[in-house]
Amino acid sequence: EDQVTQSPEALRLQEGESSSLNCSYTVSGLRGLFWYRQDPGKGPEFLFTLYSAGEEKEKERLKATLTKKESFLHITAPKPEDSATYLCAVNMEYGNKLVFGAGTILRVKS
Amino acid sequence: DTEVTQTPKHLVMGMTNKKSLKCEQHMGHRAMYWYKQKAKKPPELMFVYSYEKLSINESVPSRFSPECPNSSLLNLHLHALQPEDSALYLCASSQEGGAILEKLFFGSGTQLSVL
Repeated sequence: EDQVTQSPEALRLQEGESSSLNCSYTVSGLRGLFWYRQDPGKGPEFLFTLYSAGEEKEKERLKATLTKKESFLHITAPKPEDSATYLCAVNMEYGNKLVFGAGTILRVKS
Repeated sequence: DTEVTQTPKHLVMGMTNKKSLKCEQHMGHRAMYWYKQKAKKPPELMFVYSYEKLSINESVPSRFSPECPNSSLLNLHLHALQPEDSALYLCASSQEGGAILEKLFFGSGTQLSVL
């Protein structure tokens, strides 16, 4: 069965304390892995799409990487405004279906 | 314009009511989606429209009825809902045509409460 698992479920960081979020997947025929940020009561906001193992993408304090079994979202020197739920999603072999992981709730304290 | 607009933002309805959720985008996207998200859970796919035709229905109960009147609009008609249907309903859109899905643009959602 296709699965997307994110860890940790929740993460508390001090401002400036770098860390990483993990997304592991067991899907056949991965066509893309997506990272989204979601604030409470809002829709997910697109961050990155990764298509092949070894690919990396960066945006401000965020960097996403992809291997054949997992993806990491690295957060460097986070700020309180980075607090949100970070969702990983995979696009599988057919169609436009995205399957989301349960998310990691990130809290950054000043 | 890179927005997906959903209305209403909040909706309270009784179990015997009929209501509709609306979604609009003007990015020229030809694929549109409905997702359901319960509190502290990830979004779950309900329906996908591709070129105004229903391409994916994730075995959603018939009390939810999607409609795609044109390439910019997507509706979700609600009838005889249950309290457990209370959730955030998200609309999204994406480019279509080609083997690669680049990204989905999400609206802010409609927070639905069924009494």
